[in-house]
Amino acid sequence: LAKTTQPISMDSYEGQEVNITCSHNNIATNDYITWYQQFPSQGPRFIIQGYKTKVTNEVASLFIPADRKSSTLSLPRVSLSDTAVYYCLVGDHGTGGFKTIFGAGTRLFVKA
Amino acid sequence: EPEVTQTPSHQVTQMGQEVILRCVPISNHLYFYWYRQILGQKVEFLVSFYNNEISEKSEIFDDQFSVERPDGSNFTLKIRSTKLEDSAMYFCASSEARRPEQYFGPGTRLTVT
Repeated sequence: LAKTTQPISMDSYEGQEVNITCSHNNIATNDYITWYQQFPSQGPRFIIQGYKTKVTNEVASLFIPADRKSSTLSLPRVSLSDTAVYYCLVGDHGTGGFKTIFGAGTRLFVKA
Repeated sequence: EPEVTQTPSHQVTQMGQEVILRCVPISNHLYFYWYRQILGQKVEFLVSFYNNEISEKSEIFDDQFSVERPDGSNFTLKIRSTKLEDSAMYFCASSEARRPEQYFGPGTRLTVT
């Protein structure tokens, strides 16, 4: 599984756009990029997943350059409730499941 | 919206005792997972389960751990002889076939004394 590197923490203010970049230099051809969000004492929550270019849903956008060696999660107009840990994961589906390796994540703190 | 449920929310047990943590995955999902998270640390993969057998497991998932899908709805994690270091939050997750989009339950906090 490809190793990922993210900033340990980020600070932002309410209403700002937040971009969290993840490096995954050893990403394999079959690998997808998936982002999760985790609040304290809760399970991770799926945010978005992509393979290449740009993916957007009601929560976030995911930008993946052509070489796929990095990806950027973009959260538009964050609020205090977006304070959480954000995990970038890279891996393929495997033959029987998806072995999911979480890194340390990026702790986002949104201030008023 | 369908969700993964876990019981109990908090389990306290003595060292050496067996515990069973229970999960009800989302009904049409085919892949099931257990993770643990020691307080203040990252989420650690334990095991994935598909078609009534383990498909992947981590080095944490040793002989003390086992998983079972005893019926069409429950998915359980058993720890045979708990150790102090097993104290953690245990999360169950499920996903549709071969998709990394996993849905996590609220977790069971296991405290081993």
